[in-house]
Amino acid sequence: NAGVTQTPKFQVLKTGQSMTLQCAQDMNHNSMYWYRQDPGMGLRLIYYSASEGTTDKGEVPNGYNVSRLNKREFSLRLESAAPSQTSVYFCASTWTDNYGYTFGSGTRLTVV
Amino acid sequence: SQQGEEDPQALSIQEGENATMNCSYKTSINNLQWYRQNSGRGLVHLILIRSNEREKHSGRLRVTLDTSKKSSSLLITASRAADTASYFCATGDSNYQLIWGAGTKLIIKP
Repeated sequence: NAGVTQTPKFQVLKTGQSMTLQCAQDMNHNSMYWYRQDPGMGLRLIYYSASEGTTDKGEVPNGYNVSRLNKREFSLRLESAAPSQTSVYFCASTWTDNYGYTFGSGTRLTVV
Repeated sequence: SQQGEEDPQALSIQEGENATMNCSYKTSINNLQWYRQNSGRGLVHLILIRSNEREKHSGRLRVTLDTSKKSSSLLITASRAADTASYFCATGDSNYQLIWGAGTKLIIKP
């Protein structure tokens, strides 16, 4: 099925551990995004990639890094996980601005 | 920072009734989008209305946009149990970013 695929779906990390969240889309979209969603809140943008070869910080980039590996893939790395990074992470993609986004099903991350 | 502010925060109605949710925003926009999120799942894009449009329909959904008041409304007609979800508005400009509201939680009672 066409769409955005995120892996893993669930992850538990210990404080200080690192991990990479993977995201891939097969719709030939230009722009890709990483969001986090905390209870009772809307989405907050961590990083985005407007097009292949570019990445930019969003609202809450501290503690994260990203790589736009190619047009399909956009990964999010936590170098040293902290309990404050416990959240649900969503990847999304779109053609460009003025189009709707397609979201992945999310990664539920717990940092203990 | 959140630009879209949804109202109400929660809404509970009987199946078959209409549900109306509102969204207000602060700055100029290129478009306004509505998304649905079922519990524990990813967001699904419902409808996008551009800044030069005033009303848009998609099935049982009707969205209006009033740029002079910086507000939008989402109307779901003839609600069904499957419409139970959280609904988010998001505003887009030319900066490749959407700014999201905190959402309206809609419960449809059988």
